[in-house]
Amino acid sequence: EIVLTQSPGTLSLSPGERATLSCRASQSVSSSYLAWYQQKPSQAPRLLIYGASSRATGIPDRFSGSGSGTDFTLTISRVEPEDFAVYYCQQYGSSPHTFGGGTKVEIK
Amino acid sequence: QVQLVQSGPEVKKPGTSVKVSCKTSGFSFSRSTVQWVRQARGQRLEWIGWIVVGSGNTNYAQKFQERVTITRDMSTSTAYMELSSLRSEDTAVYYCAAADCSTTSCYAFDYWGQGTLVTVSS
Repeated sequence: EIVLTQSPGTLSLSPGERATLSCRASQSVSSSYLAWYQQKPSQAPRLLIYGASSRATGIPDRFSGSGSGTDFTLTISRVEPEDFAVYYCQQYGSSPHTFGGGTKVEIK
Repeated sequence: QVQLVQSGPEVKKPGTSVKVSCKTSGFSFSRSTVQWVRQARGQRLEWIGWIVVGSGNTNYAQKFQERVTITRDMSTSTAYMELSSLRSEDTAVYYCAAADCSTTSCYAFDYWGQGTLVTVSS
């Protein structure tokens, strides 16, 4: 099973700052089958990025994904107040389609 | 608009089974994939399995292989997840999520249900 390790666990930022979230896989993720989700308290996850770098429908362009192999990054160019949430990566290149432990982006 | 409406909360005894439904509308269900994910309170998301709706092919996490069955009813555009031999550790919110292959990737799970709380307690 591919283990996804997200870092940092918590990121404290002020609105307008840049956020860089990391997702590292224990084995190479085939075909860059990696997605990023945003989750707010008591809500379902929301797809942000799939295929490592493709933005989902309706996602603002301040969100971008990059990476391949075992190292992936989600970048929020300028954090907006509505972006404070927990972010998860998920790989779907091999079964089981594991999730990372999450990075909480909180207001500094 | 797209909707995924899940069945209501369940309270189950250990050893019994639960079947959660996910009724969809507003997109091409027959050309979609549906995954099921769960989340215990304060924990990370956990992938249970998925179904390719058109073919009915399924793929389950090894952890749940012996206990889970994911099915679909094309006539009502509804997906189901049944989990048997329940134990207290199965207490969690269960989510369905769909990817419309006709408009985007079969792996872009854009659409999510509201979640169903399953509580396992004696």
